[in-house]
Amino acid sequence: AQTVTQSQPEMSVQEAETVTLSCTYDTSESDYYLFWYKQPPSRQMILVIRQEAYKQQNATENRFSVNFQKAAKSFSLKISDSQLGDAAMYFCAYREGSGGADGLTFGKGTHLIIQP
Amino acid sequence: NAGVTQTPKFRILKIGQSMTLQCAQDMNHNYMYWYRQDPGMGLKLIYYSVGAGITDKGEVPNGYNVSRSTTEDFPLRLELAAPSQTSVYFCAVGVSHQPQHFGDGTRLSIL
Repeated sequence: AQTVTQSQPEMSVQEAETVTLSCTYDTSESDYYLFWYKQPPSRQMILVIRQEAYKQQNATENRFSVNFQKAAKSFSLKISDSQLGDAAMYFCAYREGSGGADGLTFGKGTHLIIQP
Repeated sequence: NAGVTQTPKFRILKIGQSMTLQCAQDMNHNYMYWYRQDPGMGLKLIYYSVGAGITDKGEVPNGYNVSRSTTEDFPLRLELAAPSQTSVYFCAVGVSHQPQHFGDGTRLSIL
C-alpha cells in the first residue's frame, strides 16, 4: 500500500518569507500523481498544486512551487512571499495514475503558522 | 453556483442511531467521493462513485453505505452509529480520478 509521510507537524514562518513543507511517499508504481491541499480554519479543502510523476518539470502556481525528486520519492512545497492568508493545514496526497478512481492517500498534514 | 453542498453541518447522534449525510453538486462532475477526517489526521476515503449507478469501496467503508441514483447526489448512510465514527466528513467531486472540489464538511459526534 502507498504511504504518504509529512514529518513536520507544525511550521512557522514570518510574513513575506519563504517556507518549505516536506513530503515523502512510498510506492512501487511508476505512474502516479502528487498533490498539495490547503485546509484553512474554515475546513474546506483547496487544491493548491498538482504534479504528474512523468513530468520532470516542477509544477508552479503563482507563489507555490514544488520540488519533485522522483528517485528520492520526495515532494516538497515551497511557499514564497508568505501571506497571512496562507495560514492553514497543508496536506500532501498521492494517487496512482492507472486503474480505478480510488481517490487519494493523504499525509497527516503540516500546520503552517504565519507570523506577522 | 453552489458547488458542493453538504448537509447537515453539525450533528450529534446516540450510539445505534442511523442517519444520512447529504451531498449535492451542481457542477455536473461524474466522480464523487466521501472522506472522513479524524483529529490530527489526513482524509481517508470511505466510498466513491464514478457515475450514476456506480459506487465502490474506499479504504474505510465498514459501517457506511452509499448510493448514486443521480449525477447530482451522493448520500452517505450510517446504519448503526458507533463512537468510532465520530469524525468530520467531506464530500468531494471531480472530473477525473481526483477530488477537485470539496464541500464544507459535516462534523458528526456519536455519544
